[in-house]
Amino acid sequence: EVQLVESGGDLVQPGGSLRLSCAASGFIFSNYAMSWVRQAPGKGLEWVSVISGSGGSTYYVDSVKGRFTISRDDSKNTLYLQMNSLRAEDTAVYYCAKHRGSGNYYNAYDNWGQGTLVTVSS
Amino acid sequence: DIQMTQSPSSLSASVGDRVTITCRASQGISDYLAWYQQIPGKVPNLLIYAASTLQSGVPSRFSGSGSGTYFTLTINSLQPEDVATYYCQSYNSAPFTFGPGTKVDIK
Repeated sequence: EVQLVESGGDLVQPGGSLRLSCAASGFIFSNYAMSWVRQAPGKGLEWVSVISGSGGSTYYVDSVKGRFTISRDDSKNTLYLQMNSLRAEDTAVYYCAKHRGSGNYYNAYDNWGQGTLVTVSS
Repeated sequence: DIQMTQSPSSLSASVGDRVTITCRASQGISDYLAWYQQIPGKVPNLLIYAASTLQSGVPSRFSGSGSGTYFTLTINSLQPEDVATYYCQSYNSAPFTFGPGTKVDIK
């Protein structure tokens, strides 16, 4: 059974940093692209970032470019999101999601974690 | 970047009704389109991928169609457990944008 477990969410002041983690199990982690998706309180889903199975390709939504960095450690079956220069508008539940089908990231998400809450406030 | 729109933004229907939600892409995305269901308080769940392929385990009353810029999600015979917000998503190129969502409830 596929399991994705996020951690690292917290209350942080504007301008601060956080690193989110997503521990994966139940599948060959290195074979799959992974994404981060966020959801602000009471709002819709917003795609944040994707990393290829090899880790060689990454993409970001414009609003986080230069501030967030997605990475993965295939030896630990773990996905990360380093978040710097945090803003109030980054407040959201952050989900990690597995792309279906091994290989590239041009695919839907067939498994989601439970999410971790990031609150940016003074 | 591709923009995704959905209509309606919300709807209310009776149990047993047929419900259709539309999703439009600002440019052609072939069939790189997914539909997700998010029940209140729960994690999103994949219903349809490749515009019309039903994800394993999803009830057959859900179906998807379309290609290019126009897509639909249909729920045949709406059930109480279908109360949720439904999102479309394009994934043919980054950013993999979601639509704004359609909230479905029971009349």
